[in-house]
Amino acid sequence: RKEVEQDPGPFNVPEGATVAFNCTYSNSASQSFFWYRQDCRKEPKLLMSVYSSGNEDGRFTAQLNRASQYISLLIRDSKLSDSATYLCVVYYGQNFVFGPGTRLSVLP
Amino acid sequence: NAGVTQTPKFQVLKTGQSMTLQCAQDMNHEYMSWYRQDPGMGLRLIHYSVGAGITDQGEVPNGYNVSRSTTEDFPLRLLSAAPSQTSVYFCASSLKGNQPQHFGDGTRLSIL
Repeated sequence: RKEVEQDPGPFNVPEGATVAFNCTYSNSASQSFFWYRQDCRKEPKLLMSVYSSGNEDGRFTAQLNRASQYISLLIRDSKLSDSATYLCVVYYGQNFVFGPGTRLSVLP
Repeated sequence: NAGVTQTPKFQVLKTGQSMTLQCAQDMNHEYMSWYRQDPGMGLRLIHYSVGAGITDQGEVPNGYNVSRSTTEDFPLRLLSAAPSQTSVYFCASSLKGNQPQHFGDGTRLSIL
């Protein structure tokens, strides 16, 4: 089993749709959790950290379920500019472990 | 702010050549790391450093060396380039290990 797994995607959604991505991690000692976005041939950029109580940043909501070792990202009112690959990242020990990413295409 | 600066942005090498990828950050971050990203794959950790003078291996360290003589700089050395090392290399830093990382623009490396 891979340490961090994500929905394989791709997700193709119309503008204005709500889309949710799921991520599971295998190490129960994981300490910190993040969502990054990566545009084609660009560097990953932090979208948001994920906190135990859940957190929201505009149209984006992240949830963490430590008992189930599960992280989610919800995007409301999708924009064309949201098209990217979304990376789930987990930190434990001294390493960041990246999931393979889920590609999102928002269609006009 | 410059953030994380990687040089060069592009490089073509012949098999067996050696080279150093440079990474510098101006944010006084303790934690720095190197990743490689191959087509259709996620980022894989090569080496990391939790502070000046301290380095450790990641998931795919073979064929690479690092050093951390200063807080700012974390160069990655390819000892004897092989075609399997053709990839995009990203350097990243964070204030401390469990905090969000900032990435450089990447170095696109081709080994012929």
